[in-house]
Amino acid sequence: EVQLVESGGGLVQPGGSLRLSCEASGLIFSGYGMIWVRQAPGKGLEWLSYITSSSNTIYYADSVKGRFTISRDNAKSSLYLQMNSLRDEDTAVYYCARTRITGRDAFDIWGQGTMVTVSS
Amino acid sequence: EIVLTQSPGTLSLSPGERATLSCRASQSVSNNYLAWYQQKPGQAPRLLIYGASSRATGIPDRFSGSGSGTDFTLTISRLEPEDFAVYYCQQYGSSPFTFGGGTKVEIK
Repeated sequence: EVQLVESGGGLVQPGGSLRLSCEASGLIFSGYGMIWVRQAPGKGLEWLSYITSSSNTIYYADSVKGRFTISRDNAKSSLYLQMNSLRDEDTAVYYCARTRITGRDAFDIWGQGTMVTVSS
Repeated sequence: EIVLTQSPGTLSLSPGERATLSCRASQSVSNNYLAWYQQKPGQAPRLLIYGASSRATGIPDRFSGSGSGTDFTLTISRLEPEDFAVYYCQQYGSSPFTFGGGTKVEIK
């Protein structure tokens, strides 16, 4: 089965850290770009970060720049999001997704999401 | 940053009717790298349209995308019961890969 599975979410206090993982199975991971997207409760989608297949190009949204770090391990077919200095407003479901084809494209394979709650 | 403005916010229609959703960009979208996604409650987004007008694999032909530059449209020719959902546009031509605020298509 083709799937992306996120993990690592949970409850964390403001100022804390979490590391999200996204593991691919049943699909080619190494040649494709990946993104992280989040959705706060009852809100729309917010793009967070993008990484190319070789990790040589990385982009961040201003809302997370300097606090979040995207990375990948192609040998493990895994994508990561290191989240530091977490704030209440980072509470959301976090999704990873893969580009439809190699190179710049839309995102056609999505994980089921992992919930992150930032609260004291 | 390219800001995407979707309209209307909510569209109330009956099954069998035609739905027309708009996505307007604050500046031209590079290479028409504009996608449309459908999202149902509790589910991840599903890619419908990429490159402004190409249907993704497995997407029924009642879904069509059009437009270029700054004005894009998603049309659902005849609404089926399973089409009632929230729809988002996204540009992936330049960072940040912004999403629009979404259009909810609800049953009238």
